[in-house]
Amino acid sequence: DAGVTQSPTHLIKTRGQQVTLRCSPKSGHDTVSWYQQALGQGPQFIFQYYEEEERQRGNFPDRFSGHQFPNYSSELNVNALLLGDSALYLCASSLAYLSPETQYFGPGTRLLVL
Amino acid sequence: DAKTTQPPSMDCAEGRAANLPCNHSTISGNEYVYWYRQIHSQGPQYIIHGLKNNETNEMASLIITEDRKSSTLILPHATLRDTAVYYCIVRVANLIIQGAQKLVFGQGTRLTINP
Repeated sequence: DAGVTQSPTHLIKTRGQQVTLRCSPKSGHDTVSWYQQALGQGPQFIFQYYEEEERQRGNFPDRFSGHQFPNYSSELNVNALLLGDSALYLCASSLAYLSPETQYFGPGTRLLVL
Repeated sequence: DAKTTQPPSMDCAEGRAANLPCNHSTISGNEYVYWYRQIHSQGPQYIIHGLKNNETNEMASLIITEDRKSSTLILPHATLRDTAVYYCIVRVANLIIQGAQKLVFGQGTRLTINP
């Protein structure tokens, strides 16, 4: 049973560029949440996708956008990259109908913006 | 959102029980306490969760006080591989959209297991 997978593992971009990160949820899960973790900080919630729609969003600018596909996988897109976007980006999956639902995290994508 | 308070760091000897405290004095009646840990540069790992009863699984035990204002995560026989940052989280629910929930992480407790 595969857990949550993310790609790529590492990425280097320059300021102003755009980046796309990918996430495949744990088998059987239908909900994907994205988090940003700056160095030395706890993860911060970006947004969550369910049924291909954004259900909830944290305090992140519109430069951060996402998508969920019919197979429940998800992408996180960041436009006009800033140096401050350098972080570990984490994807977590869960099953919506469970109460409470438990989120399981992937290994993350480490993004460095130069 | 209920907030949690954890000590920034703790040490424990290998083979001993590690007891990690968490205060969540503003928790509301339908909020769960969740524990995750994060080993250096990896994604957070789910450990255990509870509402008001004590819980135990293969990884740890969770003790929640009767007034639910604090809890303790217990690793019964700590090993070097348990060295990590441990996060205590009170789960926030989006009341408008059923099931839409986010995890609010604090700074956590950096637990070091010493040989």
